[in-house]
This record gives sequence, C-alpha cells and structure tokens, in this order.
Amino acid sequence: NAGVTQTPKFQVLKTGQSMTLQCAQDMNHNSMYWYRQDPGMGLRLIYYSASEGTTDKGEVPNGYNVSRLNKREFSLRLESAAPSQTSVYFCASSESRVGYGYTFGSGTRLTVV
Amino acid sequence: DQQVKQNSPSLSVQEGRISILNCDYTNSMFDYFLWYKKYPAEGPTFLISISSIKDKNEDGRFTVFLNKSAKHLSLHIVPSQPGDSAVYFCAALGAYSGGGADGLTFGKGTHLIIQP
Repeated sequence: NAGVTQTPKFQVLKTGQSMTLQCAQDMNHNSMYWYRQDPGMGLRLIYYSASEGTTDKGEVPNGYNVSRLNKREFSLRLESAAPSQTSVYFCASSESRVGYGYTFGSGTRLTVV
Repeated sequence: DQQVKQNSPSLSVQEGRISILNCDYTNSMFDYFLWYKKYPAEGPTFLISISSIKDKNEDGRFTVFLNKSAKHLSLHIVPSQPGDSAVYFCAALGAYSGGGADGLTFGKGTHLIIQP
C-alpha cells in the first residue's frame, strides 16, 4: 500500500545512546515532517523538509538532527538520548501546503530510560 | 502559548446522535484548517478541511464550520457511529504557525466515545 513507512515501530534506549528513526514515502511528495506526540500535548513539529535538499526547524528541534537523504527518505537522529525524548514520533509527507492534508506514518514509540 | 485549543479532552455521545467537537485558535494568520482522526497505535488520518475563505465544508456525515470573527471552528458528525470513536485533532496552517514556516499546528485532541 502506498504511504509513509516508519522504522522501527518500538525502541528502548538508555540515556546517552544515539539512534536514527527512518521514514520513507512512496507518494512522490515534496515535503516531509517529523512530529512528536506526548500525552496531553497533541503533536508538535520537530523538523520539516519543504523539498529535497532543504530542512528547517520546527517548534521543538532541540536534541534532534535530520537528514533529507533523497525525495523519498527523511531521517531523524537523536545524538544523545534523554528521558525527556520519550515520546511517540510520527513522520508525515505532503504534496502541497494545503489540499488533502498530510499523510502520516504509524509512528515509532521511543522510551529512554 | 497554545495557538490551537481543544478545551474538551473527551466527549461521550450516543450512537445515532450528533457529535460536535470544538476548536479555538488565536493566530489570525492561519488560513487553512484541518481535522484529523486517530486510532490507538496508528498515525493520524486526514478527515476534512476548510479554507479561511469559506464558512462551511461538508463531506458525507462530516461537516466543518468556521467562524473567523470568533476564531472558532467545529466538527459535526451526524449520525455518530461506533467506528467514530477515536481521538480527533484540530490543526491549522498559516505563514506564522507555531510549527514553523510550513507546518501544521495541532490542538491537544478530543477523545470521542460513541456509546451504543
């Protein structure tokens, strides 16, 4: 099925460890996004990429880095994980700024202990 | 400061009745509004949207109303069905949204429970 694929689905990290969350879309969308969802907080934008080769900070970028590897793939890296980064991470993509909205992946549940 | 507010964390409605979910926003630069539906362990899925130049958009059982002067929008579901039980997020898009120059700003969500 066409859509946004995130890996892994679950991950437990120790404080200070690093990891990369992977995201790929097969809809030929130009824009891709990383959000985090915390209980009672809704979804907050971490980073986004309006097009291949560009990335920009969102609302909560501290502690994260991103790479837009090509048009399909957009990865999120935690260099030194902290318990405050325990969250559910969603990747999304969109063709244009408006229209039918964004297509989200199914999420990565990350726990930092 | 929250720019998109959903003040009801949960809402319980009987099957067959109307569900009304509310959303308020503070940023007058928002020009497009969307509703997403989310089931547990899944990503949000797009439900319906409305441009700021309109005051109503309808799609089957779902209608979104926008009152720009009050900075308020609402989602009506008629009739409500058991499969509508989910968390509903209101989201806004605009040049100066808190999510960055080109990202959606979300409310905290409302958990809708449809009672049989």
